[in-house]
Amino acid sequence: EPEVTQTPSHQVTQMGQEVILRCVPISNHLYFYWYRQILGQKVEFLVSFYNNEISEKSEIFDDQFSVERPDGSNFTLKIRSTKLEDSAMYFCASSFDRGQGYTFGSGTRLTVV
Amino acid sequence: RKEVEQDPGPFNVPEGATVAFNCTYSNSASQSFFWYRQDCRKEPKLLMSVYSSGNEDGRFTAQLNRASQYISLLIRDSKLSDSATYLCVVNPPGANNLFFGTGTRLTVIP
Repeated sequence: EPEVTQTPSHQVTQMGQEVILRCVPISNHLYFYWYRQILGQKVEFLVSFYNNEISEKSEIFDDQFSVERPDGSNFTLKIRSTKLEDSAMYFCASSFDRGQGYTFGSGTRLTVV
Repeated sequence: RKEVEQDPGPFNVPEGATVAFNCTYSNSASQSFFWYRQDCRKEPKLLMSVYSSGNEDGRFTAQLNRASQYISLLIRDSKLSDSATYLCVVNPPGANNLFFGTGTRLTVIP
């Protein structure tokens, strides 16, 4: 079964440092997403990406966040200057079409110290 | 008002029991609805989409009541492996993102 792959599985970083979270979506999917889940809380939408541009973003996705699809396979989330409250599980997801259920990657656990 | 509301549980049921979870959503124009399952510290996995006519997949039955803005999931003959958090998920109108409920935790006891 096709998978969404995320690396690294766990990243520890110091406050103020930049991090890049990486994802390889399912190859024939056209829509890509980042979600996050703070421990014990619900899954929250960050951003959706289609046709090489951001299609939607939430209020969480402020200027310190950016996404990129640098080549035909990778989809990255960059956090420019991490804060303690950025500590969470970050999930990448992809779908073939809008309104469909997504396939999620296994997540990157980000810990900001 | 929250976009999606669920009873957080926990629900503790014996093996073989039937258990039902409910969820309400706030935007009456929402079009797509899903149930996801999430195991502890793992990613959400799509369990089933929810259609207006209701749909069944083995031991799982999902229902949608648009008039009441209410979604349900019924699990029959519960197995130990059904223990997980069940997430009610709604795609709001005109948007390409998903709103997740906080999840309902189920533990199936031997």
